[in-house]
Order: sequence, then structure tokens, then C-alpha cells
Amino acid sequence: DIQMTQSPSSLSASLGDRVTITCRASQGIRNDLGWYQQKAGKAPKRLIYGASSLQSGVPSRFSGSGSGTEFTLTITSLQPDDSATYYCLQYSRYPLTFGGGTKVEIK
Amino acid sequence: QEELVDSGGGVVQPGTSLRVSCAASGFRFTSYTFHWVRQAPGKGLEWVAGISYGGTQYYADSVKGRFTISRDNSKSTVSLQMNSLRPDDTAVYFCARAPILVPSGMDVWGHGTTVSVSS
Repeated sequence: DIQMTQSPSSLSASLGDRVTITCRASQGIRNDLGWYQQKAGKAPKRLIYGASSLQSGVPSRFSGSGSGTEFTLTITSLQPDDSATYYCLQYSRYPLTFGGGTKVEIK
Repeated sequence: QEELVDSGGGVVQPGTSLRVSCAASGFRFTSYTFHWVRQAPGKGLEWVAGISYGGTQYYADSVKGRFTISRDNSKSTVSLQMNSLRPDDTAVYFCARAPILVPSGMDVWGHGTTVSVSS
């Protein structure tokens, strides 16, 4: 099975800050990676697919990069609405696997 | 409006069975693979099972042999039959779709249905 190691598990940042979240895959997954945002009590919402493609309707302050085993989600200017937990998902091979999540809080 | 509506959750005793379902609307059902993803209280997301257009099934090791995913292309529904339920199966269960033509992971999710396994 492919393990997805996500870091950090939590972070606290100020409005306007640049935030970076990383996922590392235990083996190469090409660019078969998505990033999801989840708010309390809600279903996950896809932000990024194909490692770097922005989901329609998602603000351009979100971006993704990487390929193979190292991937990054960046929020260029943190906004109040970005307070949430973020997950990566590899869909290259079954079983599909999620990262452990990163809880983003606003200072 | 493209939508997935999850239903069927409830409170059950360990060792019993439950069936959760997902009704799709607003899009071409046969163009998608479907998945169930669960989230235990206070925990992260865990993929549980997936099913292709043709009915090929995939399972997480934690549910293999106990859970069965199925789809009815004529009714645009996906179901998860859960047998021999254990307390650690307690979670919110989300249905999600993933495009077949251009694999890109899950793009639309249901709101979730809560399963609680307790004596």
C-alpha cells in the first residue's frame, strides 16, 4: 500500500501569510494527487487535482505542485475562510490513501 | 445540479449489519467510479471501498470480507452493505464520485451518513 505522510499536522498563521503543506508518498504516484479542504461537520471539498490543477471555483490563492513522491499545497495569502483541515489523497493505486491531515488555524 | 445524497446510517449493535446508500442526480452516472470514505469521530479521512462502472470492487483491508459495495446503474445508486460491524466502524460515511475518462480523484461528495456501532 502507498503511505501518504502529510506535514505539519497543524499550524497557526496570520491573515495574509503564505502557508505550505507537504505530502510525501512512500512510492512514486506520478501526479495522481488531490488536495481537499474540510470544515467541521462538512464533506471534503476538492481544491486541487492532478497535483497542480485548480478545481473550478476555487480561489487562485490556492496552488499545488510536485510529482512523483513530493507534493505541496500553498495558500499564498491566508484568509479567514481558509481555517479548516486539509488532506492529500493519492489515487494512483488501490487502496486509495489519504494523508493524516493538516489543521490550519488563524492567529 | 450534480448531487450525491447519502442515507441509511443509524445506531446498531456490534456484530450486526447495516446498509448505507447513495443516490446520484444531475449527471451521467455511468461516467463515474464511486467510492465510500469514512471519518471516525475526531479522526482523518479513510478510504473504504470503490466500484468501477463495470462493477469491479476494491476494498480497504480493514473492511475486506465484511463490507460489500454495489451499484445499480439503472437507478443511479451506490450501496455499501456492512456486515459483522465493530465499534471501530463507527464513523460518518461519505459517498464520492470520481471521473472514469480522466482519472482525477473524487470531485463531488455526499453530505455523509452517520453509523454508530455500540452495545
